[in-house]
Amino acid sequence: AQSVTQPDIHITVSEGASLELRCNYSYGATPYLFWYVQSPGQGLQLLLKYFSGDTLVQGIKGFEAEFKRSQSSFNLRKPSVHWSDAAEYFCAVGAIEAGTALIFGKGTTLSVSS
Amino acid sequence: GAVVSQHPSWVICKSGTSVKIECRSLDFQATTMFWYRQFPKQSLMLMATSNEGSKATYEQGVEKDKFLINHASLTLSTLTVTSAHPEDSSFYICSARGGGSYEQYFGPGTRLTVT
Repeated sequence: AQSVTQPDIHITVSEGASLELRCNYSYGATPYLFWYVQSPGQGLQLLLKYFSGDTLVQGIKGFEAEFKRSQSSFNLRKPSVHWSDAAEYFCAVGAIEAGTALIFGKGTTLSVSS
Repeated sequence: GAVVSQHPSWVICKSGTSVKIECRSLDFQATTMFWYRQFPKQSLMLMATSNEGSKATYEQGVEKDKFLINHASLTLSTLTVTSAHPEDSSFYICSARGGGSYEQYFGPGTRLTVT
């Protein structure tokens, strides 16, 4: 079955500390992977995406993610977290076929402490 | 960049009435549109997939007679919640794919509250 697992429901990080949010996927086809961020009551904002090529992808707001096929993982990282990064983060997987919707993980809530 | 809009951004309706939500791709032709529902503090759950000019494909457990989806043009899809009940209160998000891109572009969402 196709699925996305985000093992951490809630993470608290001190401001200025590094961050890693985990994402594992199970997908039959070649996966296209995404990380989105959502602030309360808001829509989704795309942080970064991986389609092919370099397995380390850079995104907006200083985020990066590394695709590891052998581990079926696409973990999101940031070297220094800012208070404004507090939000809900969703990992998603999709396929190249036009009619294929994204499958989302359950999300990780990031809190930032001062 | 590709922009998807939704209207309205929030709506309150009485139980038993119907409400229509519009999803528009503003600067590209959306061959496929998707409708998701998100309950508070939960993830996005796919409701249905629609291709322009075709009937929508609904996910298991989603009532097609309750959630009417129309994708009449390459820039507009509508979701009509018929005979809404309080349990239909949710955040509805559409996304669109097209213009030769593999990516889905998400709308800002519509908050539906049924009283």
